[in-house]
Amino acid sequence: GQNIDQPTEMTATEGAIVQINCTYQTSGFNGLFWYQQHAGEAPTFLSYNVLDGLEEKGRFSSFLSRSKGYSYLLLKELQMKDSASYLCAVLQSNYQLIWGAGTKLIIKP
Amino acid sequence: IAGITQAPTSQILAAGRRMTLRCTQDMRHNAMYWYRQDLGLGLRLIHYSNTAGTTGKGEVPDGYSVSRANTDDFPLTLASAVPSQTSVYFCASSEEGPGRAADTQYFGPGTRLTVL
Repeated sequence: GQNIDQPTEMTATEGAIVQINCTYQTSGFNGLFWYQQHAGEAPTFLSYNVLDGLEEKGRFSSFLSRSKGYSYLLLKELQMKDSASYLCAVLQSNYQLIWGAGTKLIIKP
Repeated sequence: IAGITQAPTSQILAAGRRMTLRCTQDMRHNAMYWYRQDLGLGLRLIHYSNTAGTTGKGEVPDGYSVSRANTDDFPLTLASAVPSQTSVYFCASSEEGPGRAADTQYFGPGTRLTVL
């Protein structure tokens, strides 16, 4: 079956580092996306991985291991504005995205 | 207009009524999508359109219909609303559509629909 698993909620401290994990079992694989969604707002694109390894983009990095069906999003130097939900989505072989339920990240001062 | 707009922002609807959610994009993107987002669940694809004049069914199409008469507009219609259709509905678009793996989807602000 198709499944994407992420932790429901995480808490971290301002200025710290947090890693949000995503594991997936899908019908084929054409890449993995991470989106950020603030409460009451639309999801916005953060990153895309299709090859194994780490992609760094400023304070945010995303890692992919296709053989393990695993990805993580790493957020460094956390700021209060990073409080949001982080959505993992896999592009299947039919080129439709299947989405995880999201991880709500709470940043404390 | 910049990006994707959706209307209405929110709506309370009596069960059995017909409702059309509007979505317009000004980015000249080929592909458009309708998702619903429910608490504790991931976004679920309702319908999509790869290009003007074509539409396809997603994961949860029952009770919904769409049309794509032109590039910019992609309305979603609930023919006879039921309480289980209470959700937040997001419209999205992407430049190329399926077949282009790195094709990022951009989302509208959403419509919060309550069916009583």
